[in-house]
Amino acid sequence: GQQLNQSPQSMFIQEGEDVSMNCTSSSIFNTWLWYKQDPGEGPVLLIALYKAGELTSNGRLTAQFGITRKDSFLNISASIPSDVGIYFCAPTSGAGSYQLTFGKGTKLSVIP
Amino acid sequence: EAQVTQNPRYLITVTGKKLTVTCSQNMNHEYMSWYRQDPGLGLRQIYYSMNVEVTDKGDVPEGYKVSRKEKRNFPLILESPSPNQTSLYFCASSSQGRYEQYFGPGTRLTVT
Repeated sequence: GQQLNQSPQSMFIQEGEDVSMNCTSSSIFNTWLWYKQDPGEGPVLLIALYKAGELTSNGRLTAQFGITRKDSFLNISASIPSDVGIYFCAPTSGAGSYQLTFGKGTKLSVIP
Repeated sequence: EAQVTQNPRYLITVTGKKLTVTCSQNMNHEYMSWYRQDPGLGLRQIYYSMNVEVTDKGDVPEGYKVSRKEKRNFPLILESPSPNQTSLYFCASSSQGRYEQYFGPGTRLTVT
């Protein structure tokens, strides 16, 4: 079966630092989604990537869809305390299949 | 406001007592899905629906039922809940042709 690895599992950073996390897969995907989840809440969509090589920004967040279609990364610049939470990658093969494969998540802690 | 709503948000019940968790979306989305989230296992899909009267099993369907009689509603039914169904449940929806799924706030279920 397909394997999806998300790293790092957790990270502690100082407020103002930049953050980088990534997901790699043994399978090719046609869409990569990135979500953030606050404790006890539902995942919230941050960025959607539809094309290999695509680089997309949403405020301080930047994500890229790897050229091999087997990986993606998410960067957060100038972190702030409200960035705390768990970040998930969720790729899908698309083409009519809406099933998402979720990474195990990266737990981000920001030290003020 | 575009949203996915779930009720109840919290539920404690006993083994074998049938329960229903409701899910409703106001975005006219065709696709709806149920997930459970457990520590160390991440988000796993239970059932999904591509449209009214069209449902299919996800990765962990055992012990659950769903129905899709109306486009906006997708209830999750546990006919005879067991303690291993204690979990955090999320409903999500997506528009046909788009793969971004929008999640509800979650239902925390405890079965004793």
